[in-house]
Amino acid sequence: KQEVTQIPAALSVPEGENLVLNCSFTDSAIYNLQWFRQDPGKGLTSLLLIQSSQREQTSGRLNASLDKSSGRSTLYIAASQPGDSATYLCAVRGGADGLTFGKGTHLIIQP
Amino acid sequence: DAGITQSPRHKVTETGTPVTLRCHQTENHRYMYWYRQDPGHGLRLIHYSYGVKDTDKGEVSDGYSVSRSKTEDFLLTLESATSSQTSVYFCAISSQARDSTDTQYFGPGTRLTVL
Repeated sequence: KQEVTQIPAALSVPEGENLVLNCSFTDSAIYNLQWFRQDPGKGLTSLLLIQSSQREQTSGRLNASLDKSSGRSTLYIAASQPGDSATYLCAVRGGADGLTFGKGTHLIIQP
Repeated sequence: DAGITQSPRHKVTETGTPVTLRCHQTENHRYMYWYRQDPGHGLRLIHYSYGVKDTDKGEVSDGYSVSRSKTEDFLLTLESATSSQTSVYFCAISSQARDSTDTQYFGPGTRLTVL
């Protein structure tokens, strides 16, 4: 059974810092990996999708990498801003239908 | 944003009553999913649909049933609600499945409280 782990569970940093969120998964047989953002009381917003054949994807200040063989992904946020405060979720699309999610990293950017 | 709506957005009900949650999409996507989100567990798949009248179970399907009579609507029913089904329920859609380009888009969620 696929398991997804996100470290750290919570993170608080001053505005302007670069930061890295980590995601690991136990079964490397995946189609893709998706990073989501969730604001309190809201739904999930897709940030980046990395296909299994890709190594990284970039969108603005966000960069996500994928090392499928080692079962790891990182989300890099450059020059963090208070508006980046949210919970970040990692999910993998594996053999079973639907996504398998990690429990998320709760991020607070201090002004 | 993908055109996904969920209704109701909030519901409080009593143990033993039936409850139906609705997911409606305007994207004409083939695949639809129901997840629940609970503290300490993250999001978990309840049921999914791969076409009209084609559905299958997910990881936590006990106590839930689904129906899809039209492409745009996917209903989740709790036949007899229990307190353990208090959760936030999310609907998702995708145009692909088991494909590297498969991107799932999520609705705003329904907060269900069973007293």
